[in-house]
Amino acid sequence: QITLTQQAESLWISPGERVSITCRASQSLLYTDGKHYLSWYQQRPGQTTKALIYHASVRTDGVPTRFIGSGSGTEFTLSIEHVQPEDFAIYYCLQTLKSPYTFGAGTKLELK
Amino acid sequence: EVQLVESGGGLVQPGASLKLSCVASGFTFSDYWMSWVRQTPGKTMEWIGDIKYDGSYTNYAPSLKNRFTISRDNAKSTLYLQMSNVRSEDTATYYCTRGGGSLFDYWGQGVMVTVSS
Repeated sequence: QITLTQQAESLWISPGERVSITCRASQSLLYTDGKHYLSWYQQRPGQTTKALIYHASVRTDGVPTRFIGSGSGTEFTLSIEHVQPEDFAIYYCLQTLKSPYTFGAGTKLELK
Repeated sequence: EVQLVESGGGLVQPGASLKLSCVASGFTFSDYWMSWVRQTPGKTMEWIGDIKYDGSYTNYAPSLKNRFTISRDNAKSTLYLQMSNVRSEDTATYYCTRGGGSLFDYWGQGVMVTVSS
């Protein structure tokens, strides 16, 4: 199965800063249709898990433009510009290229 | 507004069976693939499996396919997860999600399952 590695378990940042969360796959997530099957999710206490990005860089409806997905092949990044108080949460990457679909371990954004 | 509401969780003894339900609203349930995902107390996320919009195809994580069964009733807009011979490592919060291919775009609040004697 494909392994996703999110190296950082936690990242400490201050509101207004820019942060990047990385996700590395054990094999390329590029499919023959030219799309990468990598998505990002945000989990906040007391809220339902929210889909942020799919196909590595496409924001889902209503997601603020400060959330930016990038990367290709096996290396992917979720960047958040000008972090807002509501962005302190756990972020997971997910690959849906091959079954079984697999998640990264998660990266928690914490207030510095 | 899309809503997914799970139910059926609780405390269950090892070796027992349990059936979780997820009632969907706010969209045409029969148009979408649906999935189950679980999260351990340590926050590890694990995909359990998914089911095609008409129920004709299911796909599972190999480690779970012999004990877990996903089904749906489109007339009731309800997704199910039948769990059998549960083990302590099945202790988790179980989430119903909409989607299966590129994106799980909506998630329920989750239902807790605790396996303990």
